[in-house]
Amino acid sequence: DTAVSQTPKYLVTQMGNDKSIKCEQNLGHDTMYWYKQDSKKFLKIMFSYNNKELIINETVPNRFSPKSPDKAHLNLHINSLELGDSAVYFCASSPGDRNTEAFFGQGTRLTVV
Amino acid sequence: EDQVTQSPEALRLQEGESSSLNCSYTVSGLRGLFWYRQDPGKGPEFLFTLYSAGEEKEKERLKATLTKKESFLHITAPKPEDSATYLCAVLHTGTASKLTFGTGTRLQVTL
Repeated sequence: DTAVSQTPKYLVTQMGNDKSIKCEQNLGHDTMYWYKQDSKKFLKIMFSYNNKELIINETVPNRFSPKSPDKAHLNLHINSLELGDSAVYFCASSPGDRNTEAFFGQGTRLTVV
Repeated sequence: EDQVTQSPEALRLQEGESSSLNCSYTVSGLRGLFWYRQDPGKGPEFLFTLYSAGEEKEKERLKATLTKKESFLHITAPKPEDSATYLCAVLHTGTASKLTFGTGTRLQVTL
């Protein structure tokens, strides 16, 4: 059983397109996250949701919009994709917003051409 | 702002050759220090959480220790399957949880 699953695993798209990445966790966790890992492997938080409520919104362009329909799902929609958006995006979850033993998905490699 | 620095950037060991990875941090009010392992093409896998200076945790050939300024991940008699990137992250006191990661140490263990 996959604990945190993301789809798709790979995404290649043209500049200017809009795309979404989906994430689901079956761990019963209250908090979910989106992280971005750049080409130098640096992992940086983008967003965090606790029980469907946005609690962290780092300095991310507003072309990125997270949506949490329920506490087991956190999707990431990206408008007007740019070359610089190319990276690996990781979804993660943890039991609560004060207990950050986070479990990560396998990542979505986004390539914008 | 929280800062996490890991060294060395890359480390090559022979099987059985023990060594340590370093994670130095500057954070206002440490709430926890985390070690993760990341294999190529996969997400980070949780290894340890350390909460206070002097704490130690062990798992197989890995042992993590914590002081007020840094953490070490000691690898005893490593095997090729220990090859991976090891990431350190800190969590500081505040209203919301936010892991701040270091850039990792890429470990290669050869026969």
